Amino acid sequence: QVQLQESGPGLVKPSETLSLICTVSGGSIGNYYWTWIRQPAGKGLEWIGRIHMSGNTNYSPSLMSRLTMSMDTSKNQLSLKLRSVTAADTAIYYCARGGPLDYWGQGTLVTVSS
Amino acid sequence: DIVMTQTPLSLSVTPGQPASISCNSSQSLLHSDGKTYLYWYLQKPGQSPHLLIYELSSRFSGVPDRFSGSGSATDFTLKISRVEAEDVGVYYCMQGIDVPRTFGGGTKVEIK
Repeated sequence: QVQLQESGPGLVKPSETLSLICTVSGGSIGNYYWTWIRQPAGKGLEWIGRIHMSGNTNYSPSLMSRLTMSMDTSKNQLSLKLRSVTAADTAIYYCARGGPLDYWGQGTLVTVSS
Repeated sequence: DIVMTQTPLSLSVTPGQPASISCNSSQSLLHSDGKTYLYWYLQKPGQSPHLLIYELSSRFSGVPDRFSGSGSATDFTLKISRVEAEDVGVYYCMQGIDVPRTFGGGTKVEIK
């Protein structure tokens, strides 16, 4: 059974960089797209972007200028970095597998506040 | 970006009764490979979303057969034949034909 676990600091100061890791167990991260999604409290789902081990990435146009995704296949981990954060970036951040998003992590809450 | 619109915003259903959620897309989700890239997810209270239906009408592993998906290239329906208490939560549709992926706003299902 594939399992995903997001991790990272729960609190980030405005203008700093939000850095998250998604660790995948129960299967290799190779040959799949891996997607990041976020959800502000009480609101809907927002697609952030996706990455494939080929190096192909697709980012949300609204976040593209601040966003970097990467993969470490040796650790079976994905990474998300979002620069110059503001309060509007406060949300639960999820990682999920593939195009179908067939497996999701439990999510990690990131609060942007001084 | 493809806009996904869901209706209704909320639904209150008596256990054992059917329920239906609609979603439509601003562009066709029918790919040249013959597949319609429309997905349905359920987010139960306090949990992460999970996949119910993929490619318009295929149930994901472990999803009860009371859930079914149907539709055309731009208009889609998720049906629950007999709602159970465990079906409460927010249902989302998502298009998977183009990037950025986009979700519907969600439909909250409650039990009467």
